[in-house]
Amino acid sequence: DAKTTQPNSMESNEEEPVHLPCNHSTISGTDYIHWYRQLPSQGPEYVIHGLTSNVNNRMASLAIAEDRKSSTLILHRATLRDAAVYYCILQSYNTDKLIFGTGTRLQVFP
Amino acid sequence: GAGVSQSPSNKVTEKGKDVELRCDPISGHTALYWYRQSLGQGLEFLIYFQGNSAPDKSGLPSDRFSAERTGGSVSTLTIQRTQQEDSAVYLCASSYGTNQPQHFGDGTRLSIL
Repeated sequence: DAKTTQPNSMESNEEEPVHLPCNHSTISGTDYIHWYRQLPSQGPEYVIHGLTSNVNNRMASLAIAEDRKSSTLILHRATLRDAAVYYCILQSYNTDKLIFGTGTRLQVFP
Repeated sequence: GAGVSQSPSNKVTEKGKDVELRCDPISGHTALYWYRQSLGQGLEFLIYFQGNSAPDKSGLPSDRFSAERTGGSVSTLTIQRTQQEDSAVYLCASSYGTNQPQHFGDGTRLSIL
């Protein structure tokens, strides 16, 4: 399985945009890029996923580099509720299991 | 609507006992997954069911672990002769199928004394 690299932690102030980076230099052409987050004492929560094009939904935006070797999850206005561990995961088209790394712990300050 | 439901939310048992953990997936979801999260470790895949296909058991750590999915809905994860290293949060997820978002329950926290 292709690996992802994320910073261990990031900080943001409330109502500011947050850009969470992810490197995946060994990504294959059939790997989807998924983002999940995990709030304290809860199971992971799906955020967004994409293959080649940038994606937007009500929670976030996903910007994918042209060579697909990196991506960025964008939270447009951070809230205190966004404090969580964010996981960037590559998922091959022919398998459904998610291989979680260590993720980025996001702290949001009032 | 109802999300993925897991029971019990907490389970404390003695070393050597068998335990059963239950997962009720979202109605209509054909795929069901089990993961576990140990203290200080990341989330680890255990087993995956998709429709009537043979399950992917590649993540089960030993033959003491098994899982069933009856009638394509409810699933039970069984751990026989529990060991202290089995202490973890066991998470269940379900999805509509391949490469669809997985919806997780809040897990069962298993503590082995």
